[in-house]
Amino acid sequence: ETGVTQSPTHLIKTRGQQVTLRCSSQSGHNTVSWYQQALGQGPQFIFQYYREEENGRGNFPPRFSGLQFPNYSSELNVNALELDDSALYLCASSWAGTSGGTFNEQFFGPGTRLTVL
Amino acid sequence: RKEVEQDPGPFNVPEGATVAFNCTYSNSASQSFFWYRQDCRKEPKLLMSVYSSGNEDGRFTAQLNRASQYISLLIRDSKLSDSATYLCVVRPRSHSGGSNYKLTFGKGTLLTVNP
Repeated sequence: ETGVTQSPTHLIKTRGQQVTLRCSSQSGHNTVSWYQQALGQGPQFIFQYYREEENGRGNFPPRFSGLQFPNYSSELNVNALELDDSALYLCASSWAGTSGGTFNEQFFGPGTRLTVL
Repeated sequence: RKEVEQDPGPFNVPEGATVAFNCTYSNSASQSFFWYRQDCRKEPKLLMSVYSSGNEDGRFTAQLNRASQYISLLIRDSKLSDSATYLCVVRPRSHSGGSNYKLTFGKGTLLTVNP
């Protein structure tokens, strides 16, 4: 167990709806990254949050947005859901040091499996 | 060209076999390299980091060739429990201002070890 938790574990939505996924980072970690893993593919980086601000973004449209809270937990929001958004959404937490410049292992949560019908 | 490319697989091997995974990456400024393991319907977990000098952890050996932008993973004496998808992962150099920044994953190669 990594100590990273995600909720819900599974979710079914229809096209056009909005969804919010949640992630609690491991104790002591201050950075959360979100990844999308489509079936048969490797995880793809969506964005990263450090000190409650987005700190790097992958090739995802603006309808993918997020938040990080003072306790370092995080949310991923997806608006106007499309069929291709069906995937496993993974969050990963890590400790980036006090200035955010330190790379350490990212620990992944179990993921949220989103199905868009 | 994809940022990280792996052998497509799948690999089916008998117990005790030696199996090699190959990976190439396109960004020459990449800074860190890893192999992750992902069991079916589970999250990825770090198997080992990969260093230029090569490194070994029990039955697992990882190699990095920066000039060729090539990474490999060798599993010796494979066990049933080694069955999983193996993901080649690359981290670019941190951008200014610092951060952990992203991990770039390959598509993964499925390994099945048979009794």
